[in-house]
Amino acid sequence: GQQVMQIPQYQHVQEGEDFTTYCNSSTTLSNIQWYKQRPGGHPVFLIQLVKSGEVKKQKRLTFQFGEAKKNSSLHITATQTTDVGTYFCAGPIGGTSYGKLTFGQGTILTVHP
Amino acid sequence: DGGITQSPKYLFRKEGQNVTLSCEQNLNHDAMYWYRQDPGQGLRLIYYSQIVNDFQKGDIAEGYSVSREKKESFPLTVTSAQKNPTAFYLCASSMAVYTEAFFGQGTRLTVV
Repeated sequence: GQQVMQIPQYQHVQEGEDFTTYCNSSTTLSNIQWYKQRPGGHPVFLIQLVKSGEVKKQKRLTFQFGEAKKNSSLHITATQTTDVGTYFCAGPIGGTSYGKLTFGQGTILTVHP
Repeated sequence: DGGITQSPKYLFRKEGQNVTLSCEQNLNHDAMYWYRQDPGQGLRLIYYSQIVNDFQKGDIAEGYSVSREKKESFPLTVTSAQKNPTAFYLCASSMAVYTEAFFGQGTRLTVV
């Protein structure tokens, strides 16, 4: 079953408000990846975090990887309508021999202008 | 152009028929994946392959089959045993399981 959990499932915000989605794994991850899927589109890679406690920024997006490498978050400051979509976290579960890239359920972000 | 190609974009089939979805990549990636996405849902792993001639079941493999005879190709067959096959199917590839995945445009399958 799903071993990467993501909350919340839905988030509705007014344009300009901040947004955060959280990702938790049942096992320690070698890395965590974040993807964005626009409505009607396919997931597109945003970033990968590898180190314990790592923080990376992409303009208004801030990504964090927990100290224990079992949780992560994506924070968007001052959302814009272009931020609309589903945000997924993903981690390699099962090691490098027969591991699989497992996705969280995703957070669907709606931004009201 | 390098990339991953899924075809067709839309597919309609009658209930009881098997259907094969194509996935081709020219990125020289070892790992390939098939995911299923239902409306408002996340990505559920159907099958994945780390190397040619080897593949593993994912979380929802029942009613599906795959082959990996060539590095660049990973076709998915949706069999008549799949109870609810109507969904959006996404193929992805990556250098290895722990690296960035590239997705195809997806195939929207409707079974009537």
